[in-house]
Amino acid sequence: GAVVSQHPSWVICKSGTSVKIECRSLDFQATTMFWYRQFPKQSLMLMATSNEGSKATYEQGVEKDKFLINHASLTLSTLTVTSAHPEDSSFYICSATTGQGKHEQFFGPGTRLTVL
Amino acid sequence: DAKTTQPPSMDCAEGRAANLPCNHSTISGNEYVYWYRQIHSQGPQYIIHGLKNNETNEMASLIITEDRKSSTLILPHATLRDTAVYYCIVRVGDYGQNFVFGPGTRLSVLP
Repeated sequence: GAVVSQHPSWVICKSGTSVKIECRSLDFQATTMFWYRQFPKQSLMLMATSNEGSKATYEQGVEKDKFLINHASLTLSTLTVTSAHPEDSSFYICSATTGQGKHEQFFGPGTRLTVL
Repeated sequence: DAKTTQPPSMDCAEGRAANLPCNHSTISGNEYVYWYRQIHSQGPQYIIHGLKNNETNEMASLIITEDRKSSTLILPHATLRDTAVYYCIVRVGDYGQNFVFGPGTRLSVLP
């Protein structure tokens, strides 16, 4: 199957700093990418949907000014957690799809963010 | 999207078949059943999907009841590496929407 990578795989930062997480589709063009967040012992929760070249659509309760998403190309989407706080510590996972006609969605390996 | 109900946890002996049930009694006619799994601290991995007919691939088999209100994922010969959380998700078609994850079933394969 197709491969989605994330970088970094883990990051530790101080409270108040910003952290950027990259999500890349390595061998296919992703018209749509999704960003999920997963707290310990909980399921994945969708944060936002991004389509290449347009603004991301955020789920209710997700602050768009805090979680900046940029889908600048068909193979790259970035999530920037601005002014991170300890409550933002979580496992962030992206997924990508080519869009219509494709059932399978490809997930990245996830990024563990720890905010001190 | 319709919701699903899965048992929170199951155990299975290594080498035996693991049968993971899923109820989706409010599924619509155009909704597919998908199965993903998540091994600890990794991203979800696609397993299989189906609409009406039973499906089989190299990883698993999917049995969907005739009324489509429930399904069973079968791992024919479970190994220790199959220990994971298994998610049953129903979703409309193949238009590239997101998946809505429930709590899933935590499968423990025991030696």
